[in-house]
Amino acid sequence: NAGVTQTPKFQVLKTGQSMTLQCAQDMNHNSMYWYRQDPGMGLRLIYYSASEGTTDKGEVPNGYNVSRLNKREFSLRLESAAPSQTSVYFCASSDIVNYGYTFGSGTRLTVV
Amino acid sequence: KNQVEQSPQSLIILEGKNCTLQCNYTVSPFSNLRWYKQDTGRGPVSLTIMTFSENTKSNGRYTATLDADTKQSSLHITASQLSDSASYICVVSGDSSYKLIFGSGTRLLVRP
Repeated sequence: NAGVTQTPKFQVLKTGQSMTLQCAQDMNHNSMYWYRQDPGMGLRLIYYSASEGTTDKGEVPNGYNVSRLNKREFSLRLESAAPSQTSVYFCASSDIVNYGYTFGSGTRLTVV
Repeated sequence: KNQVEQSPQSLIILEGKNCTLQCNYTVSPFSNLRWYKQDTGRGPVSLTIMTFSENTKSNGRYTATLDADTKQSSLHITASQLSDSASYICVVSGDSSYKLIFGSGTRLLVRP
């Protein structure tokens, strides 16, 4: 049982390049989330998807787009990467009924 | 503004000793409070979840307390082990389980 799987684990981009972070969960959770974690700060919500077919902005959505491809998969896209987007990105999914949140192992992104 | 503050920022203890981490929050309305453990390079893993009506919850050597009147929580670790070295994050859920408010964490180092 893999839980939440994120790819890639590490990525270096040049300013202006684009990329998509992939996330998949196998727990049949309805809700999925993308967070970023920066040194000295708590995780901040970028976008979330309460259920398949819906997406909503979180606290820091600027510069990002998301796609809820199906119930299992939720991707995060950076159209034109900026150094301010250097961070560790975490995908998570939740079973709201049980309040359970499961996080992926993260993607460490560096934009130079 | 909804905030979660943790103290201390970092802590070093000797193996076998006990320690207590603190969390104060100003989130309102309050739904639940969670403690997560995050090992270096990994995603957060849930330790405990407490709702308004619960004032203590244990998970092995981890015991969390909640005082909803003073809006304070603590995480007590008993008989620490080297594997307890990690960041411990306090997270509060407000009016929506979709949006969690994360503290910046306490970094714990357990030394032999």
